[in-house]
Amino acid sequence: GAVVSQHPSRVICKSGTSVKIECRSLDFQATTMFWYRQFPKQSLMLMATSNEGSKATYEQGVEKDKFLINHASLTLSTLTVTSAHPEDSSFYICSARDGAGAYNSPLHFGNGTRLTVT
Amino acid sequence: AQSVAQPEDQVNVAEGNPLTVKCTYSVSGNPYLFWYVQYPNRGLQFLLKYITGDNLVKGSYGFEAEFNKSQTSFHLKKPSALVSDSALYFCAVRDVRSNDYKLSFGAGTTVTVRA
Repeated sequence: GAVVSQHPSRVICKSGTSVKIECRSLDFQATTMFWYRQFPKQSLMLMATSNEGSKATYEQGVEKDKFLINHASLTLSTLTVTSAHPEDSSFYICSARDGAGAYNSPLHFGNGTRLTVT
Repeated sequence: AQSVAQPEDQVNVAEGNPLTVKCTYSVSGNPYLFWYVQYPNRGLQFLLKYITGDNLVKGSYGFEAEFNKSQTSFHLKKPSALVSDSALYFCAVRDVRSNDYKLSFGAGTTVTVRA
């Protein structure tokens, strides 16, 4: 089946530093990728949609300069949390759509990244 | 606009008993409906989907869901729950007419199956 690899699974960083999270589709071409944030015992909050080769589309209230998203290839999207603060600590999850899949295909999810900012 | 409601934060059942996780949806047009399961500190795993056709959909790990258009519901069911089914379950919807592939997720239901 389609596999999405998300790395790192856990990261601890100091306040003010930047952290990059990678999301790779291993056996399919991901024309569209989504980035979510999840707070403990809560649902997924969509942060942005990225399409390969174009700028990401951010949801209302998400700071695009703080959460930099790059989707430079059909198999890789990255989320960079810039100048991280403790309130950015969260669980970040990516998902990908198989470009060759049917219109109604399910999204494939990475295993998430637990970010802790100290 | 599209949205999902999962009215129960938690569902507790004994192993071997039937399990039901409720979901209702709202879309302008017709829905694509999905169920996902999440284990601690992991991403979401796809269980099943409703696209069109038969209202009873069978999925992974013995789960099934029934689409009911008149009640706008898509409840997840398993005839005999296992302790290993304990996890967080999400229902999601997308309007068939949507061209951005975004899913709207419910708040999630934590299922606990006791031995």
